[in-house]
Amino acid sequence: AQTVTQSQPEMSVQEAETVTLSCTYDTSESDYYLFWYKQPPSRQMILVIRQEAYKQQNATENRFSVNFQKAAKSFSLKISDSQLGDAAMYFCAYRSPSGGGADGLTFGKGTHLIIQP
Amino acid sequence: DTAVSQTPKYLVTQMGNDKSIKCEQNLGHDTMYWYKQDSKKFLKIMFSYNNKELIINETVPNRFSPKSPDKAHLNLHINSLELGDSAVYFCASSPGLYYEQYFGPGTRLTVT
Repeated sequence: AQTVTQSQPEMSVQEAETVTLSCTYDTSESDYYLFWYKQPPSRQMILVIRQEAYKQQNATENRFSVNFQKAAKSFSLKISDSQLGDAAMYFCAYRSPSGGGADGLTFGKGTHLIIQP
Repeated sequence: DTAVSQTPKYLVTQMGNDKSIKCEQNLGHDTMYWYKQDSKKFLKIMFSYNNKELIINETVPNRFSPKSPDKAHLNLHINSLELGDSAVYFCASSPGLYYEQYFGPGTRLTVT
């Protein structure tokens, strides 16, 4: 079974600075999908960014980018120019293509990101 | 328009009761899911439903049963509620087997 590890329970960053959230995973599969989700206090789960394992290029969405290291099984999220609205829980998630793909996402335990004004 | 909606958003009930949470998606997605988020914020898949095929996480008690009246709905029924069932339950949908999932707003269930 796949596991996802987020080793930072909490991170704090000054507004306008850059912060990197770490995520590692364990899998024997060669093809899979990785995601970062954001959960603000409203508790809504919001997709931040997605990465397909077969793509070498790191995904980017505006101020959010990932550093995907397939050999190291690492998938970190970099947030540039942090804003107060970025304060939230961030979850790393793994999606296996096996089992018909209907086996859901495997989540890490989350990192609570605090933005200092 | 809300893409994935759940009702109710809050549910308080007593042990032993039976309750349901409704989920609807207007995205035309083929696959729907139920997740449980515990008090430590850990999210875990409970069920997935695709083309009338139900896949159940083996750790889910059989007191929990999803029901899909049509492609746009996947409701969660819980029988004989227990204190440990208190959590936030999320419905989600996906446009295909390998795509990202879109989540509903969650239902906070409190069992007293």
